[in-house]
Amino acid sequence: KNQVEQSPQSLIILEGKNCTLQCNYTVSPFSNLRWYKQDTGRGPVSLTIMTFSENTKSNGRYTATLDADTKQSSLHITASQLSDSASYICVVRRGGNNNDMRFGAGTRLTVKP
Amino acid sequence: NAGVTQTPKFQVLKTGQSMTLQCAQDMNHEYMSWYRQDPGMGLRLIHYSVGAGITDQGEVPNGYNVSRSTTEDFPLRLLSAAPSQTSVYFCASRQTIRNEQYFGPGTRLTVT
Repeated sequence: KNQVEQSPQSLIILEGKNCTLQCNYTVSPFSNLRWYKQDTGRGPVSLTIMTFSENTKSNGRYTATLDADTKQSSLHITASQLSDSASYICVVRRGGNNNDMRFGAGTRLTVKP
Repeated sequence: NAGVTQTPKFQVLKTGQSMTLQCAQDMNHEYMSWYRQDPGMGLRLIHYSVGAGITDQGEVPNGYNVSRSTTEDFPLRLLSAAPSQTSVYFCASRQTIRNEQYFGPGTRLTVT
């Protein structure tokens, strides 16, 4: 079972609407959690990074939350735009001086006009 | 800066053929990694390097070789391609293990 589970797998919304993507993880010990945006045919690009002590972090219309106690994170997109159509990937890094990062399978978001 | 570049963008191989996927970065990053991305799965680490001359295996290293003779370049070699290696391959780099990772545009490989 993947240590990082994302839901939903895919989502279709109308332009201008809000949406929330979920990420549940079992990775331990925890170091940080990143949300990436991956446009079709491109590599992932980092949106936010959250450490253990951070509950909320915003990057423009993107707001990430983290509950380290329940091991859950969410990415909220406000006033969606057509350019938000992409896959959103949750990545959790294990604590320690290692290269161990666990990737979720992603949520495919489609924004329609 | 060009960031992380990968070549080729697309490649079709026959089973048993070998090839090298190229990756280069111009940010003087110490850490470089190769991942594969398959439908319905998260990116999986193949090999990584913490500096020139140092490489290590990731989660799915079988069938792949890497070397790191310079800070800039980190090629991935497929020794004898198999259909199971059909995937999209991403190279990434970062300054230290805790910094943001920058990904290349990917190479889509099909093995028939």
